[in-house]
Order: sequence, then C-alpha cells, then structure tokens
Amino acid sequence: QVQLVQSGPEVKKPGASVKVSCKASRYRFISYYMHWVRQAPGQGLEWMGIIHPGRGNTTSAQKFQGRVSMTRDTSTTTAYMELSGLKSDDTAVYYCARTSWALGGAFDIWGQGTMVTVSS
Amino acid sequence: QSALTQPASVSGSPGQSITISCTGTSSDVGDYNYVSWYQQHPGKAPKLLIYDVINRPSGVSTRFSGSKSGNTASLTISGLQAEDEADYYCTSYSSSITLVFGGGTKLTVL
Repeated sequence: QVQLVQSGPEVKKPGASVKVSCKASRYRFISYYMHWVRQAPGQGLEWMGIIHPGRGNTTSAQKFQGRVSMTRDTSTTTAYMELSGLKSDDTAVYYCARTSWALGGAFDIWGQGTMVTVSS
Repeated sequence: QSALTQPASVSGSPGQSITISCTGTSSDVGDYNYVSWYQQHPGKAPKLLIYDVINRPSGVSTRFSGSKSGNTASLTISGLQAEDEADYYCTSYSSSITLVFGGGTKLTVL
C-alpha cells in the first residue's frame, strides 16, 4: 500500500543540525506535495513547510525560515528535512505527510514519525 | 501565522454527540473551504477524518461530520464511542500553499 517510511530516532546537541528522511513508495512521488509537521512532547501539531517533489520548490512557515531546508531525491523517491541551529525546544516527533488535491489538499498519508531529541 | 483556536478539551458520554469548534480568521478558515480534521490516538500519526470542510474520506464513519460558518469550522461526532477518545486537530490553508493547525482538542468519553 501507499506508504511513507521515515528514518530512525536522533539525539543531537544544541546548535547541531538534524536531517530526517521520508521514503515514499507505491505512488507517483513527483505528483503529490510533501509536508513536514512536528509535535513536541504533549503538544499540538505544528506545520513546518512544504516541498513539491517534482519541481523541488519549497515554502516554509515563517517561524522556521532560515533554519529549515527541505529537499528531495526523485531517483530514490525520498524527501528530506534538515533543521539547523537546534535548541532544546526543537525536541519533537517530526512527521512527513503527503497531501492530495483530490482530498482538498488534506494530509492523506503520514509517515510513522521520527523522534528528535535535543539535549546537551 | 497564528494557530487556529480550538477548545482544549471536550467530553461526552457514550451515545451522545459533541462538537469541536475551530476558529480562525478571514485569511484562513473564512477564506478557504480547505478545512480538514484529524484524529490522533496517543503514540500514533494523525488520521484524516474530514476534508473540504464537509467531506469524509472513504472508510471514515458517518458519525463524523463537518461544517463551517464564517471564520469558524466545526467537527461533530455523533453516537460517541469509547474508541473516539483521542486528540482532534483542525487545519486550514492560510494562503494557497501555507497551512495552519488548530491547537488541538482532547476528547474524553465518560
């Protein structure tokens, strides 16, 4: 079935960077927008940004501009999110999620989440 | 991009109906019919319940319904069941490509 499989948990020190991968399978990767959403422990969902895998263009939430980089490799149908200048409050589960305009741009497929812990 | 406003918690007894509101502005909820709702159980990824304000994806129970009036969208769950106990999130586009989530609502089934 259609799925997104993310990379494993990460532990980073403050100031470091983290790169999370999201491998897409069983659908046409370049035809669906991919988003990144995070959720701090006990908190709500927070939209981080979007990439169009076909064109490679990206838009990020104002809060993350200058710190987040979203890229993709169409040969391996994998999307990546790199967050730099990590702080303790970046500790969160990071999700990739596909949106489908057939469903009004809603998130129809989610990755399993990647736990990123920032601690000295 | 401010988060959409949802009540922190709601509760209801089995068989009852509850409604969760999601209030935005004329720049997001009020301007787009691209409001969607998600259910999230602890430790799990969110699941799509409603898209385009009122539509249910295939496989989602008819007990879930959505609506919108002005800058406020709503999710109604009828015939509450124990398994409905979860967190619920709304989201809306706030431009053609950027999104904003609600703060989330914890539903307790008494």
